[in-house]
Amino acid sequence: TQLLEQSPQFLSIQEGENLTVYCNSSSVFSSLQWYRQEPGEGPVLLVTVVTGGEVKKLKRLTFQFGDARKDSSLHITAAQPGDTGLYLCAGARRSAGNMLTFGGGTRLMVKP
Amino acid sequence: DAGITQSPRYKITETGRQVTLMCHQTWSHSYMFWYRQDLGHGLRLIYYSAAADITDKGEVPDGYVVSRSKTENFPLTLESATRSQTSVYFCASGPSGTHEQYFGPGTRLTVT
Repeated sequence: TQLLEQSPQFLSIQEGENLTVYCNSSSVFSSLQWYRQEPGEGPVLLVTVVTGGEVKKLKRLTFQFGDARKDSSLHITAAQPGDTGLYLCAGARRSAGNMLTFGGGTRLMVKP
Repeated sequence: DAGITQSPRYKITETGRQVTLMCHQTWSHSYMFWYRQDLGHGLRLIYYSAAADITDKGEVPDGYVVSRSKTENFPLTLESATRSQTSVYFCASGPSGTHEQYFGPGTRLTVT
């Protein structure tokens, strides 16, 4: 059982649709990050959320940190083929120093 | 150019051989990390380093050795490669004071 559970694991949608990806845990995190990874490349940091209830927007992507800092969501509006990739959430715990715990990822495919 | 690089990008080796994966960053980040990424297991931390000459084990350190004599380099050595070490290896670095991590492009290692 992973400390951070992401859902869904796979998502295939048409261009223009909206979607939400979830990252859930029973543990409290001091911060949570979202990364996107494209085939053959390393993960790229999209955003860091720190405060419970925090909402951050990055163009068509909206990230939310749960009030209790145990969960997060990523919402994409009007998805485009360029959004295709593996989305990873990663949490930092005060007891773990600078180590991150990664979720298993959500593989998104946006069809034109 | 500034950034984080890994070499080689692809490596095929035989069981029992020693192999070293290189990682170099030009940001002068304090922290450096080694992960392996496997289907079904996501990203798992092998070793990390908080500064030159300071290293510590992650989730899956067995069979691996690291060193960090200079801030910018963090090589990972498989002393006697096994087939179970076939994987994609990612190096990452991050500044102190945040949990942000910046990943290299990865090394795809196959052990035959």
